[in-house]
Amino acid sequence: EAQVTQNPRYLITVTGKKLTVTCSQNMNHEYMSWYRQDPGLGLRQIYYSMNVEVTDKGDVPEGYKVSRKEKRNFPLILESPSPNQTSLYFCASSYTGPPAGEQYFGPGTRLTVT
Amino acid sequence: QKEVEQDPGPLSVPEGAIVSLNCTYSNSAFQYFMWYRQYSRKGPELLMYTYSSGNKEDGRFTAQVDKSSKYISLFIRDSQPSDSATYLCAMSDLGRGSTLGRLYFGRGTQLTVWP
Repeated sequence: EAQVTQNPRYLITVTGKKLTVTCSQNMNHEYMSWYRQDPGLGLRQIYYSMNVEVTDKGDVPEGYKVSRKEKRNFPLILESPSPNQTSLYFCASSYTGPPAGEQYFGPGTRLTVT
Repeated sequence: QKEVEQDPGPLSVPEGAIVSLNCTYSNSAFQYFMWYRQYSRKGPELLMYTYSSGNKEDGRFTAQVDKSSKYISLFIRDSQPSDSATYLCAMSDLGRGSTLGRLYFGRGTQLTVWP
């Protein structure tokens, strides 16, 4: 089944404890992206990757890191999480990036930083 | 000012009603306009996709783009309880240079269709 998977789905952590949220797709998509979704603010792009070893900042990259060493994986790293990074995170992929290319979203990761 | 503005609602309508969802935007370079639907506790899924101005119809759904007014709409005819979801508009430009790969979302409008 074609899908985007994220792990973990739920995570509660403490300020400053490094964490990684994994994202994997099995559709051989070139483009992958991370978003965060907050009430009243909608979906905001954190980082995206047009291809392996190519990553760029979105709207809200501060406090996050990404890497794209393989086409299928695009992990999101929070080196020192803070409470303002409490959010719902989505990974997405598409065969080509915007403007063309339907994005397929993962199921989301709900992160709480205390 | 956010580049894409969307009234978050909530919007509540009876089954069978015609629903109108709207977004406005400020960046005249936007050429591609998308509507995503997001059910509760799920990731968004693409509903419709249009390029430049005009209308596009897909079953009960019609997307309209008015670039002169920087205004896009999604109409749902004969709405059903299964249409209850959050609808997000999204936009991008031609994707040249620094904006290649960027997608800009509205805040989403929460729609409830009651039987």
